[in-house]
Amino acid sequence: GAVVSQHPSWVICKSGTSVKIECRSLDFQATTMFWYRQFPKQSLMLMATSNEGSKATYEQGVEKDKFLINHASLTLSTLTVTSAHPEDSSFYICSAQRQETGELFFGEGSRLTVL
Amino acid sequence: AQSVTQLDSQVPVFEEAPVELRCNYSSSVSVYLFWYVQYPNQGLQLLLKYLSGSTLVKGINGFEAEFNKSQTSFHLRKPSVHISDTAEYFCAVKLSGTASKLTFGTGTRLQVTL
Repeated sequence: GAVVSQHPSWVICKSGTSVKIECRSLDFQATTMFWYRQFPKQSLMLMATSNEGSKATYEQGVEKDKFLINHASLTLSTLTVTSAHPEDSSFYICSAQRQETGELFFGEGSRLTVL
Repeated sequence: AQSVTQLDSQVPVFEEAPVELRCNYSSSVSVYLFWYVQYPNQGLQLLLKYLSGSTLVKGINGFEAEFNKSQTSFHLRKPSVHISDTAEYFCAVKLSGTASKLTFGTGTRLQVTL
């Protein structure tokens, strides 16, 4: 089946630093990727929709300068949390939409802890 | 806009007992419905989906769900659960068509005990 890989799966950083999370579709092309944030014991909240070769579309309340999204190729999207603070600590999950079928496949998630 | 409600935040059940996890949706147009499972510190895995056709949908790990348009429900069922089914289960909805985004319910924690 289709595989979506996220890296890193765990990251701990100091407050004020920036962290990049990668989302790769390993065996299919994804014109659209989605980035979600999940707080402990809560549901997934869509942060932004990333389209290859164009600017991401952010959901209301999500700071685009804080959460930079780049979708440079059909198999890679990156989320950069800039100047991270403890309140940015969360579980970030990406999903990739298969170009041919529109099916969604999820990555394993990346847990960010900001000290 | 579409929305989905999972009324049960937690469902405790004994091993080998049947289980039903409830999901209701709201939408004025046609929707696609999904159930996902999430194990601790992992991403989501698709259990099953309803796009069209037969209202009874069978998925992986012995799960099934029935789409009921009149009751706007898509409840997930399994006749006999295992300890390994302990996880968080999310119902999700998206408008028909590939461009719309997926909206998740708040999740139901299935806790299977001996």
